[in-house]
Amino acid sequence: ETGVTQTPRHLVMGMTNKKSLKCEQHLGHNAMYWYKQSAKKPLELMFVYNFKEQTENNSVPSRFSPECPNSSHLFLHLHTLQPEDSALYLCASSQEMPGQGRGEQFFGPGTRLTVL
Amino acid sequence: LAKTTQPISMDSYEGQEVNITCSHNNIATNDYITWYQQFPSQGPRFIIQGYKTKVTNEVASLFIPADRKSSTLSLPRVSLSDTAVYYCLVGDRAGNTGKLIFGQGTTLQVKP
Repeated sequence: ETGVTQTPRHLVMGMTNKKSLKCEQHLGHNAMYWYKQSAKKPLELMFVYNFKEQTENNSVPSRFSPECPNSSHLFLHLHTLQPEDSALYLCASSQEMPGQGRGEQFFGPGTRLTVL
Repeated sequence: LAKTTQPISMDSYEGQEVNITCSHNNIATNDYITWYQQFPSQGPRFIIQGYKTKVTNEVASLFIPADRKSSTLSLPRVSLSDTAVYYCLVGDRAGNTGKLIFGQGTTLQVKP
């Protein structure tokens, strides 16, 4: 148990569906992240929020829309996804930004997404 | 942009010490080195972080030579539960998250 929870743990959706992934951290951290991990590929950083402000968007397609209403919650809204978007989506949080002393990231268990 | 290179896989036996080396030839002055462990279908877990020389905690040691172009994660007396993927990251002390690049990682297989 890392203090970061993600729901749902598994999600199957069609290409025309709209769904949302939720992440919640109970650690009092200020930064939150979304990563994508496709089968047998490295983790890819998608979005970064620091104090609720988006600080990084790594050229992610607009069919992925993040939302950070407060420092404890992070959402990833999904719409008109493609089968190649099937992957494990991981949320993480950290007290400070990486490299600033307490930048160690705590990861959630992930949401296994399958797009049909 | 600092890039890391690690062996794709390693095998070991229970009770042995395992050393995984990561190359980061283009590491910058402000960059630090962090290692994570990941089990299948789980998120990565922080192991250790360092900037230079040697760092030790309750689970591992991190050796960084003076030129900082490589680093070695040392796992003492591994057990079957240490079978996982190990990632080396080089990041920016200024908190530049554009450098949060996870490479392929090293898949460690511990055998009985």
